[in-house]
Amino acid sequence: GAVVSQHPSWVICKSGTSVKIECRSLDFQATTMFWYRQFPKQSLMLMATSNEGSKATYEQGVEKDKFLINHASLTLSTLTVTSAHPEDSSFYICSASGLYNEQFFGPGTRLTVL
Amino acid sequence: AQTVTQSQPEMSVQEAETVTLSCTYDTSENNYYLFWYKQPPSRQMILVIRQEAYKQQNATENRFSVNFQKAAKSFSLKISDSQLGDTAMYFCAFMIPTDSWGKLQFGAGTQVVVTP
Repeated sequence: GAVVSQHPSWVICKSGTSVKIECRSLDFQATTMFWYRQFPKQSLMLMATSNEGSKATYEQGVEKDKFLINHASLTLSTLTVTSAHPEDSSFYICSASGLYNEQFFGPGTRLTVL
Repeated sequence: AQTVTQSQPEMSVQEAETVTLSCTYDTSENNYYLFWYKQPPSRQMILVIRQEAYKQQNATENRFSVNFQKAAKSFSLKISDSQLGDTAMYFCAFMIPTDSWGKLQFGAGTQVVVTP
């Protein structure tokens, strides 16, 4: 099946710094990727939809200046959490759309902001 | 707006037994897809099964099968011959392929615990 990787798998940073998370589709091209945030024991919350070569579409309530998304190629999308604060600590998951409308998910990135 | 409801926060089942997870959804669309995803303790989301709304036949993947009732807007998942490795959070998801690049709408999830 299709494989999606995320890097890093976990990161700890100081408050005020920026963190970049990479999402790669390893064996297929993905024109559309999605970024989610998940709190413990809760469902996935869609943050934004990323399309190759165009600006991301953010869900209501998600600050686009804080969560910068870049989808520069058909296999790579990045999420940058700018000026991170403790409330940004969470589990971030990306996914990529396959040929038959299914989404393949990355393993997630655990962000801890001190 | 579409909504997905999973009314069972947690279910427990013994090994080799069968468990059924419920999922209902609300939409006025006619062309859509439904999915069940599994999230084990590793937190890696894994596609379990998918169903196209235009197909009347219920999807089956090995020990996993669905009961798709389009008129009732119900999409339950049956896990047969449960195994310890089935312990996970299960999410029901809905998608309109022509809407917003096919974004998924997830239910709240059902935690399944398989006991020896």
